[in-house]
Amino acid sequence: EVRLVESGGELVQPGRSLRLACTASGLTFADYAVNWARQAPGKGLEGVGVIGTNPLGATTEYAASVKGRFSISRDDSRSVAYLQLNSLTTEDTAVYFCSLLYQLLPRKPPAWGQGTLVTVSS
Amino acid sequence: NFLLTQPRSVSESPGKTVTISCTRSSGSIANNYVQWYQQRPGSSPTTLIYADNERPSGVPDRFSGSIDSSSNSASLTISGLKTEDEADYYCQSYDSNIQVFGGGTKLTVL
Repeated sequence: EVRLVESGGELVQPGRSLRLACTASGLTFADYAVNWARQAPGKGLEGVGVIGTNPLGATTEYAASVKGRFSISRDDSRSVAYLQLNSLTTEDTAVYFCSLLYQLLPRKPPAWGQGTLVTVSS
Repeated sequence: NFLLTQPRSVSESPGKTVTISCTRSSGSIANNYVQWYQQRPGSSPTTLIYADNERPSGVPDRFSGSIDSSSNSASLTISGLKTEDEADYYCQSYDSNIQVFGGGTKLTVL
């Protein structure tokens, strides 16, 4: 059974940093790109960024709203991806979700975690 | 960059069929696969449709997806509506591999 667990969310002051983790089990993590998305309270989903697979250079892309402040990395040996959040503002308050997208064929449906809440407040 | 536009809400009666649209603002809808997610309050999204029209195992065949290049849009059709289908529905595609989501559609089954 595929399982994704996000962790690391907490209450943090503006300007501080936080690192979220997305831990996977039940699949070959190295075969998946990892997407991070967020959902502010009462709002819709917003794509934050993505990291590709290592054979393809583990390239990263970020949404304009977080570029330069957030970064994504991965450790395939531990089946975990990280989202580093720096220079946090109140606008970053949201539930953060990771999802995995299979990079080989045949295609598989994206798998989602349950999310972790980040609250930025003084 | 492009936007995906969905109706904010739709409503229909149990047993009927409803279609939710998702229109891409620029670039062809066929350029990148479209996914559809269902999200109930307090829960994470679950995948209903992936790669435009593929249905994960365990998702009832009442749910179907399609794309239409003439209107540059994707659609999610739910037939035989049940009260348990009441939820928020999001379409999603990719822009430079980053997820782009529609604004979400609240489905009311009454």
